[in-house]
Order: sequence, then structure tokens, then C-alpha cells
Amino acid sequence: SQKIEQNSEALNIQEGKTATLTCNYTNYSPAYLQWYRQDPGRGPVFLLLIRENEKEKRKERLKVTFDTTLKQSLFHITASQPADSATYLCALDRESGGSYIPTFGRGTSLIVHP
Amino acid sequence: NAGVTQTPKFQVLKTGQSMTLQCAQDMNHNSMYWYRQDPGMGLRLIYYSASEGTTDKGEVPNGYNVSRLNKREFSLRLESAAPSQTSVYFCASSKGLAGGQTQYFGPGTRLLVL
Repeated sequence: SQKIEQNSEALNIQEGKTATLTCNYTNYSPAYLQWYRQDPGRGPVFLLLIRENEKEKRKERLKVTFDTTLKQSLFHITASQPADSATYLCALDRESGGSYIPTFGRGTSLIVHP
Repeated sequence: NAGVTQTPKFQVLKTGQSMTLQCAQDMNHNSMYWYRQDPGMGLRLIYYSASEGTTDKGEVPNGYNVSRLNKREFSLRLESAAPSQTSVYFCASSKGLAGGQTQYFGPGTRLLVL
């Protein structure tokens, strides 16, 4: 069966350090992978999309890598700040009758300590 | 431009009662979705609508019905609420069901079934 795995344990880091979150998947051949941020009591918000033929994508302090051989995406936040504390979700498209339905991982909570 | 709006924000039901969760988007998106989010389970797709006039089951459709009233509105109905349906419900929309479509989420409805 198709699975998306994100570390269920919270990641605690010190302000200024680089946070690295992992998304592993099995039985998918995604053409796209997305990362979302979710704050408590709010809906997820889109951050970045990376295509299968892109090894890396950057946006300000965010960097995403996508390794289709390892079936893994890494999400990095450099120079992390307490305001980066949130849950981060990865999402892959599941093909269904020619349509692509996003399927989300359970998310990893990031806590940045001042 | 409000994005995706959901009503109500919070609801308490007794077992067996019915209710309808409302969702509307003003981004002229074709596709709309209903998810539920439970602790440790992540976002799970209940139903989705690829375009006006169509609806399809997602991962966890049992106990729910949906209506795509028009292009803007997508409602979720619980005919006979059960405690297992206590959850946070998110509505989302996207341009379509082609791969890599960004999803835009509403603020969520917290439902407690006693």
C-alpha cells in the first residue's frame, strides 16, 4: 500500500540552527511533492512544490530536496527562528482515474527554542 | 478576497443529530475537498469534487455526504453523527486535479460529538 512517513516525534532545535525534516514514501511514483506549514488551530498553508526532475528548490530560508531513488524529500529551514515553530506536512499526488489527488503525511512538529 | 471560508467554526452535537458544514471559495477554483484531521492521523480525505457537478469518495467517506452546490460552494453533511466523527474538518480548493496543484485550506470546523 502507499505510505507517506514523516517523523512523528517533534524536532527541537535552537534558534539560528538549520532544521531538517524528512518525508519518506513507498509505492508512489510522484511527479510532484509539496510541503505545507500548519499552525495550531489553523489550516495548512502551501510553502513549496518540487518536481521529480528537480533535485532542489529554494525559497528564502527554505530548501527542499527530492530524491526519487531514495524515495525521500528533505525540507530545510536555515537560520531558524521561534516563529518557524509549527507542524510541517509533506504531500504527494495519488493518481486516481487520470486525476491526481493530494495525499498528506501526518506532519512533523518543529519547535525552535530562543 | 477571503480565500476559503468555513462555517461554523465550532459545533457540539449529540449522537444521532445531523448537521451540514459549509464551505465556500472565491478563487474560481474548479476542485474542492473535505478532510478530517485527528491527532496522530494527519489529514484524511473524506470526499472531493473535481469540478462543479461531480463528487467522489476519498479515503474515509463512510457516514458523510457531500453536495457541490455550485462552483463556489461544497458542503459536507453528517446525517447521524457519531462520537467517532469528533474531529477538525478542513475544506480546501485547488485549480484542478492535474498534478502538483496547490491546495488552499479554510480555517477549519471543530466538531465535538457527545
